[in-house]
Amino acid sequence: TQLLEQSPQFLSIQEGENLTVYCNSSSVFSSLQWYRQEPGEGPVLLVTVVTGGEVKKLKRLTFQFGDARKDSSLHITAAQPGDTGLYLCAGDRGGSGNTGKLIFGQGTTLQVKP
Amino acid sequence: DAGITQSPRYKITETGRQVTLMCHQTWSHSYMFWYRQDLGHGLRLIYYSAAADITDKGEVPDGYVVSRSKTENFPLTLESATRSQTSVYFCASLFRGGRDYGYTFGSGTRLTVV
Repeated sequence: TQLLEQSPQFLSIQEGENLTVYCNSSSVFSSLQWYRQEPGEGPVLLVTVVTGGEVKKLKRLTFQFGDARKDSSLHITAAQPGDTGLYLCAGDRGGSGNTGKLIFGQGTTLQVKP
Repeated sequence: DAGITQSPRYKITETGRQVTLMCHQTWSHSYMFWYRQDLGHGLRLIYYSAAADITDKGEVPDGYVVSRSKTENFPLTLESATRSQTSVYFCASLFRGGRDYGYTFGSGTRLTVV
């Protein structure tokens, strides 16, 4: 059972376009993180959102955590070829022990063409 | 350099052989994790560790063994490699700093079992 569903799985756009990636679940998460992974490398943390309704901005990237803390979105404005990569959302269920184990979505592969 | 170092970066081994993947962190993060990444399955947790000498199974632990005698090292051993264990393996540590919270990943080990 995939607890975190990402959509779309693949996205190919032209430079300058806007896009949104979604990360949805029926479960509540204590926090949700977004990572970007380039070929041959490990994922790199972009942002962590903790509070329901929270919005964080990182240059042209805007991250939002749903009010109920079950979903999140990543919006990129005026995409550039350097944004190309695999975007992963990951949720922490929290709870007793707080082991820090994350559940990862399947990822969204983004290709931005010049 | 500070961070997580995985070795080797690439490994080809034969079915039935034992192979150990190394992971070293330069911080003193308590939590460390091993994930495997496969097309269609995303990142799946193999084992994790809360501290030296404390380890626990993740989602897909069968065929793997871990140890953590020192905080900075978390090796993963495939006791008798099988073709289904061909994958890219990532080690990660968890950092926490106020509202800053997330994983730092190594660059991965690409393992092929022939």
